[in-house]
Amino acid sequence: EIVLTQSPGTLSLSPGERATLSCRASQTVVNSYLAWYQKKPGQAPRLLIYNTFNRASGIPDRFGGSGSGTDFTLTISRLEPEDFAVYYCQQYAFAPLNFGGGTKVEMK
Amino acid sequence: QITLKESGPTLVKPTQTLTLTCTLSGFSLSETAVGVGWIRQPPGKALEWLGLIYWDDVKHYSPSLKNRLTITRDTSKNRVVLTMTNMDPVDTATYYCGHTSGWLVDYWGQGTLVTVSS
Repeated sequence: EIVLTQSPGTLSLSPGERATLSCRASQTVVNSYLAWYQKKPGQAPRLLIYNTFNRASGIPDRFGGSGSGTDFTLTISRLEPEDFAVYYCQQYAFAPLNFGGGTKVEMK
Repeated sequence: QITLKESGPTLVKPTQTLTLTCTLSGFSLSETAVGVGWIRQPPGKALEWLGLIYWDDVKHYSPSLKNRLTITRDTSKNRVVLTMTNMDPVDTATYYCGHTSGWLVDYWGQGTLVTVSS
């Protein structure tokens, strides 16, 4: 079972700043099968990034994914007001398809 | 257009069995490599993966919940059913179903809040 640890727990930033979110896996995520989701209260999760790097349909290019092996990063180049939310990584290489504990990006 | 919608009780009592239905639209669970997964989120907590069922009826469950979970499909009605036995207040959560391509959840239902309380 792959355990995902996200850091930091909370990121306090201002609009226009860069956000860097980390996701560390307890073992290698095969085929870079790592996704990132955005979650806002009262809304369903929204797929942002899949296969570590690829943006999902309709996702702005200020969202970028990188990493390999056990270390992965989601970068939001310039925060827009609508980007303040909780972000989760998930591995989908092996069942159980665990999620990380989430990083909250809050407005400073 | 792919959409999913969860339905079921909003309140269950401790020890009861929860049955949730995910109604699919815009795709069929008989299509190759398609699956439907279930995920939940307790209030104020992280997303938790519960399990999934594939087009060929292969199923995978969370190890911590596998003794309580059953996921079935009804291809004639294009829906997937989640059954969770022996419900407890800690199972209070918003339950989501999602379309999977391979093992990636790319479309999500709106979610349904289930409260476990006597």
